[in-house]
Amino acid sequence: LAKTTQPISMDSYEGQEVNITCSHNNIATNDYITWYQQFPSQGPRFIIQGYKTKVTNEVASLFIPADRKSSTLSLPRVSLSDTAVYYCLVGPFSGGYNKLIFGAGTRLAVHP
Amino acid sequence: DTGVSQNPRHKITKRGQNVTFRCDPISEHNRLYWYRQTLGQGPEFLTYFQNEAQLEKSRLLSDRFSAERPKGSFSTLEIQRTEQGDSAMYLCASIELQGVGYTFGSGTRLTVV
Repeated sequence: LAKTTQPISMDSYEGQEVNITCSHNNIATNDYITWYQQFPSQGPRFIIQGYKTKVTNEVASLFIPADRKSSTLSLPRVSLSDTAVYYCLVGPFSGGYNKLIFGAGTRLAVHP
Repeated sequence: DTGVSQNPRHKITKRGQNVTFRCDPISEHNRLYWYRQTLGQGPEFLTYFQNEAQLEKSRLLSDRFSAERPKGSFSTLEIQRTEQGDSAMYLCASIELQGVGYTFGSGTRLTVV
């Protein structure tokens, strides 16, 4: 599975837009990009998945450039409850076939 | 269905004792995964099942670890002769065959003293 690199931590303030970028230079043709969110003492929660261009749901947007070597998770107007660890994963996840390989993630702290 | 359920939520055990954790996945999900997470790290894959068949085991899963999923429903993870290094959060996740996102349980936090 392609290795990912993302910032260890980020800080933001309530109401701001937060963009977390993930690098995945060795992404394969059949790989998807998936983001999970994890709060303390809970399991990760699926946020969004995409293959190319832009994907948007009620929680976040995922921007993927044409070369797919990076991706950006965008959280609009964050609140204190968005303080969590965010994981970027890359792999052929379609159909739930493969195990997930997590890195250390990005710790987002949202301040009042 | 209220999601993936894991029991117990917390377990404290003395070194050398055996422990067993249970995971009840979402009922229509064919695949079930076990992960282990230590403080400050992302979850690490341990093993997964498709229905009752255990299809892959990580090298992290030593001989002291065993997992089962009888009848393709709930799953158990047993650790024999626990060591302090086994202290971690043990997470279970499930997904249906054509699903997109995995659903994780809240985990079982094991402390070996």
